[in-house]
Amino acid sequence: DAGVTQSPTHLIKTRGQHVTLRCSPISGHKSVSWYQQVLGQGPQFIFQYYEKEERGRGNFPDRFSARQFPNYSSELNVNALLLGDSALYLCASSSTQGAAGGYTFGSGTRLTVV
Amino acid sequence: KQEVTQIPAALSVPEGENLVLNCSFTDSAIYNLQWFRQDPGKGLTSLLLIQSSQREQTSGRLNASLDKSSGRSTLYIAASQPGDSATYLCAVQSNDYKLSFGAGTTVTVRA
Repeated sequence: DAGVTQSPTHLIKTRGQHVTLRCSPISGHKSVSWYQQVLGQGPQFIFQYYEKEERGRGNFPDRFSARQFPNYSSELNVNALLLGDSALYLCASSSTQGAAGGYTFGSGTRLTVV
Repeated sequence: KQEVTQIPAALSVPEGENLVLNCSFTDSAIYNLQWFRQDPGKGLTSLLLIQSSQREQTSGRLNASLDKSSGRSTLYIAASQPGDSATYLCAVQSNDYKLSFGAGTTVTVRA
């Protein structure tokens, strides 16, 4: 079975541009969460979606938005990119909102803003 | 707000030595705790999941303990190998379902 897949794996954007990152959860998983990991730090929570509804949002500006589709895949959108948005963006899936079985992470998208 | 701290930040040991990685958290009202491994520039690989009602979990050479009342978890890796070199992250899932991570412990096992 395929794990959590993220695309693209690497991305270089210019300040002020917009970016869309994509995530496909494990088959049967209905919850997708997004995390940002800056070099040398632990991941920080951005969003959680469950059954296509936003169920949690971290302390990120409104430039960050996300959505979940009927097939439970998800997109993370970031507008007006800043140099500080350069990070590894991780997607995690779980079968339920409460993740009693834990979270499974994808390999991430490395975003570089120049 | 849940704060997670991992000590030490880095650790270097000779091959064969046992590893002890510590994780502390400020709010004991947790749903579960998960240990992850991260290789440089890569995603997170789940190692062990401990439910809030459990005291420990074991998988092969790995053992993780949880003391919820004192806000602590410890990951033990027995008989370390060079392939164990990586960053180990502790993540606490609170009742709002989000994960709060520590900054990680970077382990180097010398051959």
